[in-house]
Amino acid sequence: TQLLEQSPQFLSIQEGENLTVYCNSSSVFSSLQWYRQEPGEGPVLLVTVVTGGEVKKLKRLTFQFGDARKDSSLHITAAQPGDTGLYLCAGVIEDSSYKLIFGSGTRLLVRP
Amino acid sequence: GAVVSQHPSWVICKSGTSVKIECRSLDFQATTMFWYRQFPKKSLMLMATSNEGSKATYEQGVEKDKFLINHASLTLSTLTVTSAHPEDSSFYICSASDFDINTYEQYFGPGTRLTVT
Repeated sequence: TQLLEQSPQFLSIQEGENLTVYCNSSSVFSSLQWYRQEPGEGPVLLVTVVTGGEVKKLKRLTFQFGDARKDSSLHITAAQPGDTGLYLCAGVIEDSSYKLIFGSGTRLLVRP
Repeated sequence: GAVVSQHPSWVICKSGTSVKIECRSLDFQATTMFWYRQFPKKSLMLMATSNEGSKATYEQGVEKDKFLINHASLTLSTLTVTSAHPEDSSFYICSASDFDINTYEQYFGPGTRLTVT
């Protein structure tokens, strides 16, 4: 069974601070995605990383895929209250099913 | 593009009744649709994978007779919760993909909140 562990589970920070969320597994994924979810809504895709070692930037968000394609990180610079939400990583397993395995989630609260 | 809708957005039903949730891909044909369940403050848990015209594949521990999935067309999949009980109360989310074009993009619906009284 593939498991994706995220850490921390909950993070409360002050506006302007930096933070990093980690997503780790013992399994190899063909690609990994990061989502943000607001309460009562479906998850919204932020980024997809495919190549080991790949780094992608989305404004103040930086995503990295581990060299071995087993782990990933999300770094937010100068967090803003609008960044508040549930952040989920999800890996596509390496078989023909294309199933997404979701991480345990990180709940971020950015205080003004 | 790549919009997925769900209907209803929320539903309240009595124990013992059945409720159907629809998932539609509005501007693309979905060869595959996935159904997820999410408990409060928890992550998404995959329930089943459905391919158009074939039987759904259920994840371990998910009762196929309890959660009936039908994927009758390339734009519509339905999840029917049969003989609902309060423990079935949850947030149900679907996603849709066209894996003939893109091997890893899933487009998520807005979710359906089910409350069983």
